[in-house]
Formats: sequence, structure tokens, C-alpha cells
Amino acid sequence: DTGVSQDPRHKITKRGQNVTFRCDPISEHNRLYWYRQTLGQGPEFLTYFQNEAQLEKSRLLSDRFSAERPKGSFSTLEIQRTEQGDSAMYLCASSLVGDRGRVPDTQYFGPGTRLTVL
Amino acid sequence: AQSVAQPEDQVNVAEGNPLTVKCTYSVSGNPYLFWYVQYPNRGLQFLLKYITGDNLVKGSYGFEAEFNKSQTSFHLKKPSALVSDSALYFCAVRAPPWAAGNKLTFGGGTRVLVKP
Repeated sequence: DTGVSQDPRHKITKRGQNVTFRCDPISEHNRLYWYRQTLGQGPEFLTYFQNEAQLEKSRLLSDRFSAERPKGSFSTLEIQRTEQGDSAMYLCASSLVGDRGRVPDTQYFGPGTRLTVL
Repeated sequence: AQSVAQPEDQVNVAEGNPLTVKCTYSVSGNPYLFWYVQYPNRGLQFLLKYITGDNLVKGSYGFEAEFNKSQTSFHLKKPSALVSDSALYFCAVRAPPWAAGNKLTFGGGTRVLVKP
């Protein structure tokens, strides 16, 4: 399978605990995005990387959230001191940008990590 | 700020009948528009996109979408729906590269139910 993979697929945690999710993009994709999707809503942008550089962060990304892409390949999203409001599906997407970014990239999504905070 | 509206929460259609899922958008400059489909407990699957050129875009699984600049719409269509098309459909917009970054802004989704 050469698609975007995410681990774990499901995570149940207690309020106040820290959680970390991993995303492995499609091989050679240079952009990686994180989105959050709550029940009955469309995905909302959180942040994205081009290679290892984090280029944009949403206001939704509070200081309890941190994302990394240390070697420009896989990425991790950590949530510290989880709250019940963090319960959602966390989606990762990757894309390949060429031509100096003049042609818009198509984002390919992984299966998501469903987080439940009790 | 860019935004997308999907006015119908749910669309019901009989198998074999035409399917239309509506989408309108708001963005500065020329838009880049996308349709994705989501099956239960799965991620989003790319269907098609409009960048420039022909207003009728053909995509995967027999889907197509028509871009209408004057009406700021990008409706998804399929001439003959299948039961397996039952899923959640999302329209998304992205601003041009010179504006507002690279994020996708999604609509709230439309649930499609195709009855046998």
C-alpha cells in the first residue's frame, strides 16, 4: 500500500493525558498537512509542512498542540493535557508540489486517527 | 477569507437516476476547487479538481463537476447513481498560490443516499 498511513487508527485517553499521532505520507511527497474533523463537520486545517519546515499554523492549533516533521518524511502531532473538546478525527494528507508551487497540489488523505477523550 | 457552502445536508436518489450535489464558494481571485468523498470510518478520497480551462471537469468513478464562475458554484454530478455511491461528499476551495496559503477550506458535507 503506497497511500498515506496513520497510526494509531483509534486512541482513547483520559482528560489531562498526552497523546501523539504519527503520519507517514506518500513516498516523495514534499508537503504534509494535518486537519481535524469533528462529527458532522468538514475537516478544518491545522497546520502544514513543506519538507521539514512548518509553514502555516491555524488559530485552532493551541499551544497544547505541536507538530513536527523532523526529516521531511513522517510527521507527528502531539496534544498535551487533552481535553474533551479535543475528541475528533485527526486527518493527515500529503501532496507533491512542483513547478515552484504555481500548480496547486492535490492533497491525498490518510484514514485518520479517531481520538476519544474521556 | 475563503468559504464553501453545501446547502443540502442529505441528498436521496434512486439507483440509476442522476445525482447532483451542490456547492458554492467564496474566495479572492480565481478559485481552485476540489471534491472528495468519505466512506464510514475512512479518510477522504479525492474525486476531481478544477484549476483552469474547461468548465466541465471529469473525475473518478464516473463523477464530473461543472464550474460556474458567475454563480460561484461547483456542483458535483453523476449521470446514473449506484448504491455504492452512498457516502459523505465534501467540496473544498483553495485560494490561488499568491494568496492565503495552501490550506483547503471544506464545506460541511452532503450525505448521499442511493436507494436500490
